[in-house]
Amino acid sequence: AQSVTQLDSHVSVSEGTPVLLRCNYSSSYSPSLFWYVQHPNKGLQLLLKYTSAATLVKGINGFEAEFKKSETSFHLTKPSAHMSDAAEYFCVVSDNLRIKAAGNKLTFGGGTRVLVKP
Amino acid sequence: ETGVTQSPTHLIKTRGQQVTLRCSSQSGHNTVSWYQQALGQGPQFIFQYYREEENGRGNFPPRFSGLQFPNYSSELNVNALELDDSALYLCASSLKIFKTSDTDTQYFGPGTRLTVL
Repeated sequence: AQSVTQLDSHVSVSEGTPVLLRCNYSSSYSPSLFWYVQHPNKGLQLLLKYTSAATLVKGINGFEAEFKKSETSFHLTKPSAHMSDAAEYFCVVSDNLRIKAAGNKLTFGGGTRVLVKP
Repeated sequence: ETGVTQSPTHLIKTRGQQVTLRCSSQSGHNTVSWYQQALGQGPQFIFQYYREEENGRGNFPPRFSGLQFPNYSSELNVNALELDDSALYLCASSLKIFKTSDTDTQYFGPGTRLTVL
């Protein structure tokens, strides 16, 4: 079974400073990896997706993530935080159910709550 | 292009009752997945429907059941509600090229907040 570990449950940054959210995964084969963001009382919005193409993935709102197979990591970064970035962020791996002749499910990390200070 | 919609937005039930949650998938999508998100946790996979058939299930008891309709909208039914069923229920739709595809991107609706008293 695949799993995802988000190394920080909370991250606090000042507006205009870089953001780093750390994620490690375990997978028995080449995974699809995602970052989703969830603002308070809202659904999940896709930030970016990795599917074995370029290892550096650019997403929306200035976010990007780098896939490092040797480190089994998929960390999310943004050069300059904005107040609107305050939210919960989830690192996600697509868990293939092929062994059961089925499709896939998403396995979520525990989430990282980002606080942006003015 | 219409996104994923869910109804109702909020629901309050009592223990032992039954509930039906509804989801309309994004235009052109043929797959719907349901997730349960308890307070302070990441979402947990309940099940997935592809072209009106169940296409994978997570670790949830049989009292959680679902349907997908010919227009690819979906329902989640929960019988004999328990207090621990209180959560945000999220629906996600995607377009699968074939049944076992695992590279489709899932797009989420805003969720239904269920409270069980």
